[in-house]
Amino acid sequence: DIQMTQSPSSLSASVGDRVTITCRASQGIRNDLGWYQQKPGKAPKRLIYAASSLQSGVPSRFSGSGSGTEFTLTISSLQPEDFATYFCLQNNSYPLTFGGGTKVEIK
Amino acid sequence: VQVVESGGGLVKPGGSLRLSCATSGFTFSNTWMSWVRQAPGKGLEWVGRIKSKPNGGTIDYGAPVKGRFIISRDDSKNTLYLQMNSLKTEDTAVYYCTTLPPNSADFWGQGTLVTVSS
Repeated sequence: DIQMTQSPSSLSASVGDRVTITCRASQGIRNDLGWYQQKPGKAPKRLIYAASSLQSGVPSRFSGSGSGTEFTLTISSLQPEDFATYFCLQNNSYPLTFGGGTKVEIK
Repeated sequence: VQVVESGGGLVKPGGSLRLSCATSGFTFSNTWMSWVRQAPGKGLEWVGRIKSKPNGGTIDYGAPVKGRFIISRDDSKNTLYLQMNSLKTEDTAVYYCTTLPPNSADFWGQGTLVTVSS
């Protein structure tokens, strides 16, 4: 199984900050990676697919990069509505696996 | 688009439960569907996926549920199912019905809570 190691597990940031979250795959997964945002009590929402493509309707302050084993989600200027938990998901091979999550909190 | 899970509840260890996921607003029959679960206060875990019938309709499961859970679909009803047997306390979670990649669309239900406890 492919393990997805996500870091950090949590971070504190202020509105307007640039935030970077990383996922590392235990083996190469090409660009078969997505990023999800989840708010308390709600279903996740996809932000990025294929490592760097912005899901329709998602603000352009979200961006993704990487391929192979190293991937990054960047929020260019953190907004109040961005405080949430973020997960990566590899869909290169079964079983599909999620990263452990990064909780973004208000500083 | 609507994705609505139902069938969750309290069940004893060793028991069974069947979840349903009723959908509308998209072409269900051409969509690969997945179940994802989230234990209380924990991260997301992929349960399994069923491909569309044009893509063979094959089913894959995560190791923790393989041999106990069965995913099926009824394209005439636009509905996905999850039959859960031999339930364990560690199966306690909110279960989501969703369209993961390679589907381009991102649809999720509101989730249904399954609690396995004596």
